[in-house]
Amino acid sequence: AQSVTQPDIHITVSEGASLELRCNYSYGATPYLFWYVQSPGQGLQLLLKYFSGDTLVQGIKGFEAEFKRSQSSFNLRKPSVHWSDAAEYFCAVGSPNTNAGKSTFGDGTTLTVKP
Amino acid sequence: DGGITQSPKYLFRKEGQNVTLSCEQNLNHDAMYWYRQDPGQGLRLIYYSQIVNDFQKGDIAEGYSVSREKKESFPLTVTSAQKNPTAFYLCASSTGLQGTQHFGDGTRLSIL
Repeated sequence: AQSVTQPDIHITVSEGASLELRCNYSYGATPYLFWYVQSPGQGLQLLLKYFSGDTLVQGIKGFEAEFKRSQSSFNLRKPSVHWSDAAEYFCAVGSPNTNAGKSTFGDGTTLTVKP
Repeated sequence: DGGITQSPKYLFRKEGQNVTLSCEQNLNHDAMYWYRQDPGQGLRLIYYSQIVNDFQKGDIAEGYSVSREKKESFPLTVTSAQKNPTAFYLCASSTGLQGTQHFGDGTRLSIL
């Protein structure tokens, strides 16, 4: 069965600093991978996704993520964090096999941005 | 614009009462989902549906029920059997179970 681990429950960075949020997955082949963001009291919004091809994926709001098969990772990065990036971030893994069932979400990482 | 609409945004339940949360989508998606979110616990899947008139239990289905009579609609009933219903409930949809999920803005349920 597929699974997702987000090792960091809470991360604090200063505004303007770089950011990396970690995501590790367990899956037997190349999975579908997603990063979502949730602002307080809101639903989740897709930041970016990886299905195949180039392992460096660009998303909205200046975020990018890199799929590393050898490390089973899909870490989210941003070169310079803005105060509005404070939110909760979820990594998710899905299977290209249409019989494999639903996607699986990690437990999330809460990002706090210091002025 | 297409999207998912959840209503109401806030809901209050009395002891022993069933309440129903609405979820409607106009994205023409086949799959729909209900999640519960508690502080510090991420998303927990309650029920999901791949097609009309079919649905499966998720990880925490006890005390909840759903129906999928129309492609656009996937209402969730929180029954009196759910002893700790206070939470934030999120509905989502996707073209297939493996695809990108689109989320509503959630319903916050509290106990009176």
